[in-house]
Amino acid sequence: NAGVTQTPKFQVLKTGQSMTLQCAQDMNHNSMYWYRQDPGMGLRLIYYSASEGTTDKGEVPNGYNVSRLNKREFSLRLESAAPSQTSVYFCASSDVAGYEQYFGPGTRLTVT
Amino acid sequence: RKEVEQDPGPFNVPEGATVAFNCTYSNSASQSFFWYRQDCRKEPKLLMSVYSSGNEDGRFTAQLNRASQYISLLIRDSKLSDSATYLCVLYNQGGKLIFGQGTELSVKP
Repeated sequence: NAGVTQTPKFQVLKTGQSMTLQCAQDMNHNSMYWYRQDPGMGLRLIYYSASEGTTDKGEVPNGYNVSRLNKREFSLRLESAAPSQTSVYFCASSDVAGYEQYFGPGTRLTVT
Repeated sequence: RKEVEQDPGPFNVPEGATVAFNCTYSNSASQSFFWYRQDCRKEPKLLMSVYSSGNEDGRFTAQLNRASQYISLLIRDSKLSDSATYLCVLYNQGGKLIFGQGTELSVKP
């Protein structure tokens, strides 16, 4: 079973470039999430989608946009990348909002 | 004050040792609690949920103390494969999980 998949696995961007991180889940989950993880900071929620057609800001939404394309897919877009967005990005999904979340393998993003 | 606080460690223990981690939380209305495990450069995975009555899963025991607002994780007979970062996680309202920064455990031969 694929579970939660993310693409790309690694990415290097120059300041000001844009990109979209893709996430898909095959577990028919209603809720999906985007986190970033930085050393010493733990996982911080960027955006989440409690159900198809809805999105809400998390703790650190500035500089990001999201799209819940359908029940399976939830993408994260950086419109103008900044060095402060260098991080590991994890996508997650859950059947019931707030309960056990299943994570993708992560995208390691470096912005120079 | 952070919503969830953990000692980042590292905890360095020999194989076979018993080790315990605590995690404190600030919101007394927190509803559910979990321990996640994260291996180096990998995604977090659910280790166990934490129930008010305490719960055990093999060598792992989790407990919740609502009065003092902390949860604990006890690992008995540590294995090399237990080396990882253990994340304390809680659920308030609004469908979001709150993650602690994690406690690093290193089990040595």
